[in-house]
Amino acid sequence: EVQLVQSGAEVKKPGESLKISCKGSGYSFTTYWIGWVRQMPGKGLEWMGIIYPGDSDTRYSPSFQGQVTISADKSITTAYLQWNSLKASDTAMYYCARRNGHYFSYWGQGTLVTVSS
Amino acid sequence: QSVVTQPPSVSGAPGQRVTISCTGSSSNIGAGYDVHWYQQLPETAPKLLIYDNNNRPSGVPDRFSGSKSGSSASLAITGLQAEDEADYYCQSYDSSLSGSVFGGGTKLTVL
Repeated sequence: EVQLVQSGAEVKKPGESLKISCKGSGYSFTTYWIGWVRQMPGKGLEWMGIIYPGDSDTRYSPSFQGQVTISADKSITTAYLQWNSLKASDTAMYYCARRNGHYFSYWGQGTLVTVSS
Repeated sequence: QSVVTQPPSVSGAPGQRVTISCTGSSSNIGAGYDVHWYQQLPETAPKLLIYDNNNRPSGVPDRFSGSKSGSSASLAITGLQAEDEADYYCQSYDSSLSGSVFGGGTKLTVL
């Protein structure tokens, strides 16, 4: 069974750093792209970027380029999304999802990130 | 403001048919890229509903169907049920952004 299990909710202060994770199982982790999607409170889905764990090829949405870093460790079948300096506007639910072709067939349960002073 | 546009809300009575539109442009849907649809029930992660314009993953009822024409696509739901009340998102690929793009989402209310 394909599963993407994300790390738990986080509460951080502005300016702090954060790295959240997404562990894949039940499939060949290195042969499917993993994407990250943001959903701000009460808002829609936004594509942030994507990584191919096989060779760490990474693409970013122009809206998120330079704001976050996407990485993966294929040895532990885990993808990551990290911030160096969080802002209040980063408060959102973040989902990872496995891509098939150009659609996202499996989704993680989401990680809620709250940034507040 | 998404480059792919959906109506903010639609509604219908149980048993009725509703459609949700998804309008793009020449850099995404109009360029021939496939459209995919997701259902997001309250407080849950999105779930793939339709892929490659008109294909249903295993387990999705045939009450849900998709179509695409030109720069637009549509999701149709027949025999509306209370459990269909959710947010629905279309998604495609955009060549100018070199990545995926989601529509703004449509909230379906079952009256």
